[in-house]
Amino acid sequence: GQNIDQPTEMTATEGAIVQINCTYQTSGFNGLFWYQQHAGEAPTFLSYNVLDGLEEKGRFSSFLSRSKGYSYLLLKELQMKDSASYLCAVIHDYKLSFGAGTTVTVRA
Amino acid sequence: SAVISQKPSRDICQRGTSLTIQCQVDSQVTMMFWYRQQPGQSLTLIATANQGSEATYESGFVIDKFPISRPNLTFSTLTVSNMSPEDSSIYLCSGRGQGRYNEQFFGPGTRLTVL
Repeated sequence: GQNIDQPTEMTATEGAIVQINCTYQTSGFNGLFWYQQHAGEAPTFLSYNVLDGLEEKGRFSSFLSRSKGYSYLLLKELQMKDSASYLCAVIHDYKLSFGAGTTVTVRA
Repeated sequence: SAVISQKPSRDICQRGTSLTIQCQVDSQVTMMFWYRQQPGQSLTLIATANQGSEATYESGFVIDKFPISRPNLTFSTLTVSNMSPEDSSIYLCSGRGQGRYNEQFFGPGTRLTVL
């Protein structure tokens, strides 16, 4: 079966940095996505990693180590609007499987 | 990026009835999928919608309960048949594009409540 683990909840202060870790064990690997999902809304695409290393996109960065089955999403200069669920998802075969999601709460 | 629309956005249905959800993508996608997201949980893949042929279902999901059609590259339907309260969930249509990163996008979802 597929196993994608990430922490359930994280809390941080406005302006701070938060790192959300994701470990995976899947049958095959063709890339890893991070999505943001606000309550009551559809997931929105944040990043995609297929090679090892860091991908930076504004305040958000994502890192991948395929040998370790590990990724993280780094959120910098946190804003209140960043309070949301962050989903780690792995493409294996042709399908996208999701972790349970990490709820990030940003406090003033 | 692809824009995906779904209808209805929400519905309240009686036990034993069926509901068909429509999904329209504004550009051609390589693949289309249907997911379910139960309250407070993450997304679970129901099936891959194949153009012009039977959908490919994941373990725990069957065609009789969730018939799917995809008559062309940009349109698909999911029917939730013979509904029970356990089917209350958000159903999301998803499409994988042809962009550089093979990004996968999601529709706004259909919030279904079964009484």
